[in-house]
Amino acid sequence: QKEVEQNSGPLSVPEGAIASLNCTYSDRGSQSFFWYRQYSGKSPELIMSIYSNGDKEDGRFTAQLNKASQYVSLLIRDSQPSDSPTYLCASKGRDDKIIFGKGTRLHILP
Amino acid sequence: KAGVTQTPRYLIKTRGQQVTLSCSPISGHRSVSWYQQTPGQGLQFLFEYFSETQRNKGNFPGRFSGRQFSNSRSEMNVSTLELGDSALYLCASSQIAGGPLNTGELFFGEGSRLTVL
Repeated sequence: QKEVEQNSGPLSVPEGAIASLNCTYSDRGSQSFFWYRQYSGKSPELIMSIYSNGDKEDGRFTAQLNKASQYVSLLIRDSQPSDSPTYLCASKGRDDKIIFGKGTRLHILP
Repeated sequence: KAGVTQTPRYLIKTRGQQVTLSCSPISGHRSVSWYQQTPGQGLQFLFEYFSETQRNKGNFPGRFSGRQFSNSRSEMNVSTLELGDSALYLCASSQIAGGPLNTGELFFGEGSRLTVL
């Protein structure tokens, strides 16, 4: 059973600090990785995708991928109260199935 | 550009009944995936359709089925409803399915919230 694992949280981070969200995946054949955020009562929306080892930066967000360790992370700099939805990590395997983790709730402390 | 549209948004059924949910993808998107979301299990993959063919299937019983029409619109059906089928059912579309050009990025609809009594 291919799985994506995330800490459910909530992860509490002071406003203005860096939030670090982590994810591990079991399928070594996974090629693409995604971070979605989901506000309560809303549908998930894509914020970052990463396909190769290393870091990818987009504004206040940095995604990090380490395929050898089967590890994906998302850093959010200068955390704001609006950054407090649930963050979902997802991977796409060679079978093209996109599998999601259960999500990490982020709580930004004012 | 209109987003992914799901109908109905909310519905209540009783055990043993069946339900059909509809999804219209973003114009030009040919791949439609369905997910079930519950608080305990998170987002679980149901199936994916492309060009009217089921490309992938998750680990759900045969009571869960789907289809895709020539205009890329998709429906999913759940027969003999059980209490545990209460969930948010999300449809997501993407431009293409499979191959090196497929980035895997999904665009989700607002979901259909099913309550089984």
